[in-house]
Amino acid sequence: GAVVSQHPSWVICKSGTSVKIECRSLDFQATTMFWYRQFPKQSLMLMATSNEGSKATYEQGVEKDKFLINHASLTLSTLTVTSAHPEDSSFYICSARAGDRVFSFFGQGTRLTVV
Amino acid sequence: RKEVEQDPGPFNVPEGATVAFNCTYSNSASQSFFWYRQDCRKEPKLLMSVYSSGNEDGRFTAQLNRASQYISLLIRDSKLSDSATYLCAVNTNAGKSTFGDGTTLTVKP
Repeated sequence: GAVVSQHPSWVICKSGTSVKIECRSLDFQATTMFWYRQFPKQSLMLMATSNEGSKATYEQGVEKDKFLINHASLTLSTLTVTSAHPEDSSFYICSARAGDRVFSFFGQGTRLTVV
Repeated sequence: RKEVEQDPGPFNVPEGATVAFNCTYSNSASQSFFWYRQDCRKEPKLLMSVYSSGNEDGRFTAQLNRASQYISLLIRDSKLSDSATYLCAVNTNAGKSTFGDGTTLTVKP
């Protein structure tokens, strides 16, 4: 099946620093990528939808200036958590969709811990 | 009201038991439906798609009722390895997934 690679799988950073997470589709062109966040014992919450070459669409309550999303190519999207704080500690997961397929493939997730 | 509501669980069952999970969704325009399995601290993995005609994959059976906006997952002959959190997901035609909160299953020897 299609493979989506997310990197890094885990990261610990100091409060106030920025962290970049990469999401790559390895064997297909991802016209759309989705970024989710999952807090412990909660479900995945969609943060934003990213279409290649255009600005991301953020869900209500998600700060676009804090969570910068770039989808410059059909195989790569990045999420940058700027000025991270401990409350940003979470499991961030991307998923990628090819064309008009109804199904998306998930990356392995990135566990972010801000200390 | 949440867009996707799932049985809260947790479900603790003995090996060999049959267990059923239910999920309701509120958006009647939803296009596609899935069940995912998520192991602790891992990403969700697709278990199966859900169709109105019902679909079966080994011990797993999924069913969709569009009129009632309800999907279900039945696991027969539970194994220890089935212990995980099961998430239902509802997609729009744009591929955006809305997930339920998940139901945790623990299968005990």
